[in-house]
Amino acid sequence: EAGVAQSPRYKIIEKRQSVAFWCNPISGHATLYWYQQILGQGPKLLIQFQNNGVVDDSQLPKDRFSAERLKGVDSTLKIQPAKLEDSAVYLCASSRGGGAETQYFGPGTRLLVL
Amino acid sequence: SQQGEEDPQALSIQEGENATMNCSYKTSINNLQWYRQNSGRGLVHLILIRSNEREKHSGRLRVTLDTSKKSSSLLITASRAADTASYFCATDAGSARQLTFGSGTQLTVLP
Repeated sequence: EAGVAQSPRYKIIEKRQSVAFWCNPISGHATLYWYQQILGQGPKLLIQFQNNGVVDDSQLPKDRFSAERLKGVDSTLKIQPAKLEDSAVYLCASSRGGGAETQYFGPGTRLLVL
Repeated sequence: SQQGEEDPQALSIQEGENATMNCSYKTSINNLQWYRQNSGRGLVHLILIRSNEREKHSGRLRVTLDTSKKSSSLLITASRAADTASYFCATDAGSARQLTFGSGTQLTVLP
């Protein structure tokens, strides 16, 4: 079974530029999560999808961040415009159902904003 | 805000020794999970313990949960250099059924 795929693995941009991350969850997993992990901290949930609907985006900075999960499979997370404090690893995870059972994480995208 | 807080923040031991790390949390939980993160990689699920369980084992891992003290511990026995990683506890609390991660314990196992 293939794991959660993310791309790109690394991205360097200048502040005020835009960036997009892509995630392909494990086949058949209904729930998809995007986390932000700042160096030295644990992951913080940004948004949770169940199929193609948003379950929770209360911690997503909606003035600059957006995410979508078209057709309930792949997902993209976009930042526009980026700020210095957005430098972090962006992790995508998926799980079979809607409960907080085991989550399977992708390798993450490391973003550096200069 | 982070629900779980790990202790210690960093731990360094010799290969073959046991490693114990602790997690404290603030509110009632449905379950508590432990994850491992190798440098520059994603998180890997290690073990899940439900609120009505007190102890679980998986290979060299032993997890305990004390809901009266709102704390959990992860014991890794006979540690190996490959166990070097950050370990995070994550709590599932309330009706939202989402995981809230602590800040992690950085474990270094010296050969």
